[in-house]
Amino acid sequence: DAGITQSPRHKVTETGTPVTLRCHQTENHRYMYWYRQDPGHGLRLIHYSYGVKDTDKGEVSDGYSVSRSKTEDFLLTLESATSSQTSVYFCAISGSFDRETGNTIYFGEGSWLTVV
Amino acid sequence: KQEVTQIPAALSVPEGENLVLNCSFTDSAIYNLQWFRQDPGKGLTSLLLIQSSQREQTSGRLNASLDKSSGRSTLYIAASQPGDSATYLCAVRGGSEKLVFGKGTKLTVNP
Repeated sequence: DAGITQSPRHKVTETGTPVTLRCHQTENHRYMYWYRQDPGHGLRLIHYSYGVKDTDKGEVSDGYSVSRSKTEDFLLTLESATSSQTSVYFCAISGSFDRETGNTIYFGEGSWLTVV
Repeated sequence: KQEVTQIPAALSVPEGENLVLNCSFTDSAIYNLQWFRQDPGKGLTSLLLIQSSQREQTSGRLNASLDKSSGRSTLYIAASQPGDSATYLCAVRGGSEKLVFGKGTKLTVNP
Protein backbone atom coordinates (compact mmCIF):
# COMPACT_ATOMS: atom_id res chain seq x y z
CA ASP A 1 0.00 0.00 0.00
CA ALA A 2 1.11 3.54 -0.76
CA GLY A 3 2.20 5.44 2.35
CA ILE A 4 -0.60 7.98 2.63
CA THR A 5 -1.93 9.17 5.96
CA GLN A 6 -4.93 11.42 6.35
CA SER A 7 -5.78 13.26 9.55
CA PRO A 8 -8.12 13.59 11.21
CA ARG A 9 -10.02 10.53 10.05
CA HIS A 10 -13.27 11.74 11.57
CA LYS A 11 -14.33 15.21 12.61
CA VAL A 12 -17.52 16.98 13.62
CA THR A 13 -17.42 20.76 13.48
CA GLU A 14 -19.82 23.67 13.66
CA THR A 15 -20.93 25.86 10.79
CA GLY A 16 -18.66 28.84 10.32
CA THR A 17 -15.54 27.36 11.90
CA PRO A 18 -12.32 26.78 9.94
CA VAL A 19 -11.20 23.22 9.41
CA THR A 20 -7.91 21.85 8.11
CA LEU A 21 -7.40 18.34 6.81
CA ARG A 22 -3.90 17.01 6.41
CA CYS A 23 -2.51 14.54 3.91
CA HIS A 24 0.96 13.13 4.52
CA GLN A 25 2.84 10.88 2.10
CA THR A 26 6.05 8.95 2.51
CA GLU A 27 6.41 8.04 -1.18
CA ASN A 28 8.01 11.22 -2.55
CA HIS A 29 5.32 11.44 -5.23
CA ARG A 30 5.11 14.67 -7.18
CA TYR A 31 1.34 15.06 -7.50
CA MET A 32 -1.15 15.28 -4.67
CA TYR A 33 -4.92 15.65 -4.87
CA TRP A 34 -7.94 16.32 -2.70
CA TYR A 35 -11.26 14.78 -3.72
CA ARG A 36 -14.63 14.72 -2.07
CA GLN A 37 -17.08 11.86 -2.45
CA ASP A 38 -20.82 12.34 -2.13
CA PRO A 39 -23.78 10.09 -2.93
CA GLY A 40 -25.08 10.82 -6.41
CA HIS A 41 -22.01 12.84 -7.36
CA GLY A 42 -19.20 10.36 -7.08
CA LEU A 43 -15.65 11.61 -6.65
CA ARG A 44 -14.99 15.23 -7.52
CA LEU A 45 -11.64 17.00 -7.56
CA ILE A 46 -11.29 19.96 -5.19
CA HIS A 47 -7.65 21.00 -5.66
CA TYR A 48 -4.44 19.39 -6.71
CA SER A 49 -0.72 20.08 -6.48
CA TYR A 50 2.01 19.40 -9.03
CA GLY A 51 4.89 20.39 -6.78
CA VAL A 52 5.86 22.31 -3.69
CA LYS A 53 3.91 25.58 -3.66
CA ASP A 54 2.34 24.69 -7.02
CA THR A 55 -1.40 24.13 -6.84
CA ASP A 56 -4.43 24.41 -9.08
CA LYS A 57 -8.19 24.30 -8.76
CA GLY A 58 -10.44 21.37 -9.50
CA GLU A 59 -14.12 21.36 -10.36
CA VAL A 60 -15.46 22.08 -6.84
CA SER A 61 -12.87 24.43 -5.34
CA ASP A 62 -15.17 27.16 -4.00
CA GLY A 63 -14.90 27.43 -0.21
CA TYR A 64 -11.64 25.47 -0.09
CA SER A 65 -7.99 26.44 -0.09
CA VAL A 66 -4.85 24.32 -0.11
CA SER A 67 -1.18 24.61 0.70
CA ARG A 68 1.85 22.51 0.01
CA SER A 69 4.99 23.76 1.68
CA LYS A 70 6.75 20.36 1.64
CA THR A 71 6.68 17.47 -0.81
CA GLU A 72 5.14 15.17 1.76
CA ASP A 73 2.29 17.35 3.07
CA PHE A 74 -0.82 18.70 1.35
CA LEU A 75 -3.29 20.63 3.50
CA LEU A 76 -6.94 21.28 2.68
CA THR A 77 -8.62 24.14 4.53
CA LEU A 78 -12.29 24.95 4.74
CA GLU A 79 -12.18 28.65 5.55
CA SER A 80 -15.68 28.74 7.05
CA ALA A 81 -17.33 25.34 7.08
CA THR A 82 -20.88 24.96 5.77
CA SER A 83 -23.28 22.03 5.94
CA SER A 84 -22.82 21.47 2.19
CA GLN A 85 -19.20 20.57 2.92
CA THR A 86 -20.25 17.56 4.96
CA SER A 87 -18.59 14.79 2.98
CA VAL A 88 -15.85 12.21 2.81
CA TYR A 89 -12.55 13.71 1.72
CA PHE A 90 -9.89 11.64 0.02
CA CYS A 91 -6.29 12.50 -0.57
CA ALA A 92 -4.48 10.89 -3.50
CA ILE A 93 -0.94 10.85 -4.85
CA SER A 94 0.75 9.99 -8.12
CA GLY A 95 3.92 10.61 -10.06
CA SER A 96 6.52 8.28 -8.70
CA PHE A 97 9.75 7.80 -10.59
CA ASP A 98 8.97 4.12 -11.11
CA ARG A 99 8.35 3.51 -14.79
CA GLU A 100 5.74 0.84 -14.13
CA THR A 101 3.71 2.63 -11.47
CA GLY A 102 4.48 6.27 -12.15
CA ASN A 103 1.06 7.05 -13.59
CA THR A 104 -0.93 5.12 -11.02
CA ILE A 105 -2.94 7.14 -8.52
CA TYR A 106 -3.08 5.93 -4.93
CA PHE A 107 -5.70 6.97 -2.41
CA GLY A 108 -5.70 7.51 1.32
CA GLU A 109 -8.32 6.01 3.62
CA GLY A 110 -10.48 9.13 3.76
CA SER A 111 -11.52 11.79 6.27
CA TRP A 112 -15.16 11.90 7.32
CA LEU A 113 -16.24 15.48 8.00
CA THR A 114 -19.61 16.45 9.43
CA VAL A 115 -20.58 20.13 9.65
CA VAL A 116 -23.48 20.77 12.04
CA LYS B 1 -15.71 18.53 -20.61
CA GLN B 2 -14.91 14.87 -20.05
CA GLU B 3 -17.77 12.75 -18.73
CA VAL B 4 -17.43 9.17 -17.56
CA THR B 5 -20.40 6.81 -17.33
CA GLN B 6 -20.54 3.38 -15.74
CA ILE B 7 -23.27 0.90 -16.50
CA PRO B 8 -24.87 -0.80 -14.70
CA ALA B 9 -25.00 1.16 -11.44
CA ALA B 10 -25.51 -2.09 -9.53
CA LEU B 11 -25.06 -5.74 -10.35
CA SER B 12 -25.84 -8.89 -8.38
CA VAL B 13 -24.49 -12.25 -9.52
CA PRO B 14 -24.09 -15.77 -8.11
CA GLU B 15 -20.65 -16.93 -7.09
CA GLY B 16 -18.56 -18.39 -9.88
CA GLU B 17 -20.05 -16.31 -12.66
CA ASN B 18 -17.87 -14.40 -15.12
CA LEU B 19 -18.94 -10.78 -15.43
CA VAL B 20 -18.21 -7.56 -17.29
CA LEU B 21 -18.36 -4.02 -15.98
CA ASN B 22 -18.60 -1.18 -18.47
CA CYS B 23 -17.10 2.29 -18.56
CA SER B 24 -17.57 4.89 -21.30
CA PHE B 25 -16.05 8.33 -21.72
CA THR B 26 -16.92 11.23 -24.00
CA ASP B 27 -13.48 12.60 -24.92
CA SER B 28 -11.18 10.02 -26.49
CA ALA B 29 -8.07 12.19 -25.98
CA ILE B 30 -7.05 10.42 -22.79
CA TYR B 31 -3.66 9.74 -21.32
CA ASN B 32 -4.68 6.63 -19.40
CA LEU B 33 -7.60 4.87 -17.73
CA GLN B 34 -7.58 3.33 -14.29
CA TRP B 35 -9.94 0.89 -12.55
CA PHE B 36 -10.40 1.04 -8.80
CA ARG B 37 -12.16 -0.97 -6.15
CA GLN B 38 -13.79 0.63 -3.12
CA ASP B 39 -15.04 -1.29 -0.09
CA PRO B 40 -17.63 0.35 2.19
CA GLY B 41 -16.08 2.98 4.45
CA LYS B 42 -12.70 2.62 2.79
CA GLY B 43 -10.52 4.40 0.30
CA LEU B 44 -9.97 3.39 -3.31
CA THR B 45 -7.62 0.57 -4.25
CA SER B 46 -6.05 0.67 -7.70
CA LEU B 47 -6.72 -2.50 -9.70
CA LEU B 48 -5.43 -1.86 -13.20
CA LEU B 49 -3.95 1.01 -15.16
CA ILE B 50 -4.15 1.06 -18.97
CA GLN B 51 -2.04 3.56 -20.86
CA SER B 52 -3.62 5.13 -23.96
CA SER B 53 -1.30 3.11 -26.20
CA GLN B 54 -2.37 -0.20 -24.66
CA ARG B 55 -5.40 -2.34 -25.43
CA GLU B 56 -5.61 -4.37 -22.24
CA GLN B 57 -4.10 -5.21 -18.88
CA THR B 58 -4.45 -8.32 -16.78
CA SER B 59 -4.02 -9.03 -13.10
CA GLY B 60 -5.04 -12.41 -11.79
CA ARG B 61 -8.76 -12.90 -12.46
CA LEU B 62 -9.14 -9.32 -13.70
CA ASN B 63 -8.78 -8.16 -17.27
CA ALA B 64 -9.36 -4.59 -18.40
CA SER B 65 -9.63 -3.55 -22.02
CA LEU B 66 -9.52 -0.13 -23.61
CA ASP B 67 -10.95 1.03 -26.94
CA LYS B 68 -9.96 4.65 -27.02
CA SER B 69 -11.52 5.45 -30.38
CA SER B 70 -14.96 4.37 -29.23
CA GLY B 71 -14.53 5.75 -25.72
CA ARG B 72 -15.04 2.45 -23.94
CA SER B 73 -13.38 0.26 -21.37
CA THR B 74 -14.49 -3.00 -19.81
CA LEU B 75 -13.42 -4.77 -16.65
CA TYR B 76 -13.79 -8.53 -16.87
CA ILE B 77 -13.88 -10.52 -13.63
CA ALA B 78 -13.51 -14.26 -14.00
CA ALA B 79 -14.97 -16.81 -11.59
CA SER B 80 -16.41 -14.20 -9.25
CA GLN B 81 -16.19 -14.70 -5.48
CA PRO B 82 -18.09 -13.13 -2.55
CA GLY B 83 -14.88 -11.26 -1.69
CA ASP B 84 -15.17 -9.42 -4.99
CA SER B 85 -18.24 -7.60 -3.65
CA ALA B 86 -17.42 -3.90 -3.72
CA THR B 87 -17.96 -0.78 -5.78
CA TYR B 88 -15.82 -0.59 -8.90
CA LEU B 89 -14.90 2.79 -10.35
CA CYS B 90 -13.18 3.77 -13.53
CA ALA B 91 -11.35 7.04 -14.04
CA VAL B 92 -9.73 8.65 -17.06
CA ARG B 93 -6.87 11.10 -17.19
CA GLY B 94 -6.64 13.68 -19.95
CA GLY B 95 -3.81 16.05 -20.78
CA SER B 96 -3.63 17.46 -17.27
CA GLU B 97 -2.94 15.38 -14.21
CA LYS B 98 -6.59 15.34 -13.18
CA LEU B 99 -8.69 12.20 -13.07
CA VAL B 100 -12.37 12.21 -13.98
CA PHE B 101 -14.35 9.45 -12.28
CA GLY B 102 -17.45 7.54 -13.13
CA LYS B 103 -19.99 7.01 -10.37
CA GLY B 104 -19.20 3.35 -10.05
CA THR B 105 -20.83 -0.05 -10.31
CA LYS B 106 -21.81 -1.70 -7.03
CA LEU B 107 -21.14 -5.42 -7.36
CA THR B 108 -22.64 -8.05 -5.07
CA VAL B 109 -21.49 -11.65 -5.46
CA ASN B 110 -23.84 -14.04 -3.69
CA PRO B 111 -22.53 -17.30 -2.17
